[in-house]
Amino acid sequence: EAEVAQSPRYKITEKSQAVAFWCDPISGHATLYWYRQILGQGPELLVQFQDESVVDDSQLPKDRFSAERLKGVDSTLKIQPAELGDSAMYLCASSLSKADGYTFGSGTRLTVV
Amino acid sequence: AQSVAQPEDQVNVAEGNPLTVKCTYSVSGNPYLFWYVQYPNRGLQFLLKYITGDNLVKGSYGFEAEFNKSQTSSHLKKPSALVSDSALYFCAVNPNAGKSTFGDGTTLTVKP
Repeated sequence: EAEVAQSPRYKITEKSQAVAFWCDPISGHATLYWYRQILGQGPELLVQFQDESVVDDSQLPKDRFSAERLKGVDSTLKIQPAELGDSAMYLCASSLSKADGYTFGSGTRLTVV
Repeated sequence: AQSVAQPEDQVNVAEGNPLTVKCTYSVSGNPYLFWYVQYPNRGLQFLLKYITGDNLVKGSYGFEAEFNKSQTSSHLKKPSALVSDSALYFCAVNPNAGKSTFGDGTTLTVKP
């Protein structure tokens, strides 16, 4: 069964440092999402891509977060500088269409110390 | 603005008993509705979806869900719970704008 690949699985970083997460969606899925999940809460959308274009980044803290999907395939989410409040699970998901539901990766657990 | 509420943080059932996890939502139009399951330190896994038609939908792992559009609610059900069903369950709504909004989840614990 096809999977969404994410790396790294775990990341510990000091505050004010830069950190990056990578996601490779299921082949053929044009829509890619980055969600942030704080412990005890549901996932919250950070950014949505359709191919290489950003469709929705209204909840992305753009002063420190950036996301790209240059060739419309894999994607990178960056945080610079990291803050203590950024500690969370970062989930990548992809979908063929909005009617199909999302396939999620295993996530990256970020801890900022 | 759309919102999803899962009124129970925790649901406890004995193995072999039926389980129900509840969800209510507020969103305009006719959204798509989804249920997902999350195991510890993993991403979410799709269980089932409702788009239109029959209000009872069967999904993965023996789960099914009732959808009530007039009450804007959904109940995830399973006739006989397994210990391995213990996990975090999320309801999500996706209006025509194309992004899903998730509830805060319900932790299901099935005791042997």
